[in-house]
Amino acid sequence: QVQLVESGGGVVQPGRSLRLSCAASGFIFSDYAMHWVRQAPGKGLEWVAIISYDGKNKYYADSVKGRFTISRDNSKKTLFVQMNSLRDDDTAMYYCAKERVTVAGRGMDVWGKGTTVTVSS
Amino acid sequence: QSALTQPASVSGSPGQSITLSCTGTSSDVGSYNLVSWYQQHPGEAPKLMIYEASKRPSGVSNRFSGSKSGNTASLTISGLQAEDEADYYCCSYAGTSTYVFGSGTKVTVL
Repeated sequence: QVQLVESGGGVVQPGRSLRLSCAASGFIFSDYAMHWVRQAPGKGLEWVAIISYDGKNKYYADSVKGRFTISRDNSKKTLFVQMNSLRDDDTAMYYCAKERVTVAGRGMDVWGKGTTVTVSS
Repeated sequence: QSALTQPASVSGSPGQSITLSCTGTSSDVGSYNLVSWYQQHPGEAPKLMIYEASKRPSGVSNRFSGSKSGNTASLTISGLQAEDEADYYCCSYAGTSTYVFGSGTKVTVL
């Protein structure tokens, strides 16, 4: 079945780095744009980044621009986000999500269960 | 990239209809028909309920409907059921391949 599984979360000190992964299965991964979305404890959803189906185009929320880098390996059906210079307010559950169709903006129809990132000294 | 504005909470009795609003600006909701709505139960991942402002994915109950007028999108839940109690988030395309979520609405079934 169509599935996304995030991994790589953990506890990290402010200023350090972390790399999250999202393994996809059950669909043609290379056909779809992919997102990262996060949710701070007790807070709402926040869009983080999107990467085009071929990895050539990447866009970020202002809050992470210059610190986070989204990437993908279509041969391994895996999405990544490299998070550098982590701050306390990056503490959140991080979800990866698939675009519903091959054109972006039409809704995120498959979500992983998320991986938790805690930034704390 | 300010969050879209949603009421913090909306409640209704079983069988009633409720409408959730999502207010943005002319740069996001007002400029594109690319508004989606997500349902999130506690401890779970979000679930797509509406896309392109008014379209329903297969498998989503027809009790859920969406609309948009100007800078405001709306989600209506008809025949409210206990299982509809959850948080609901709108999301809009905001140009230059960026997106913005709403602040979220907690729906309570009385």
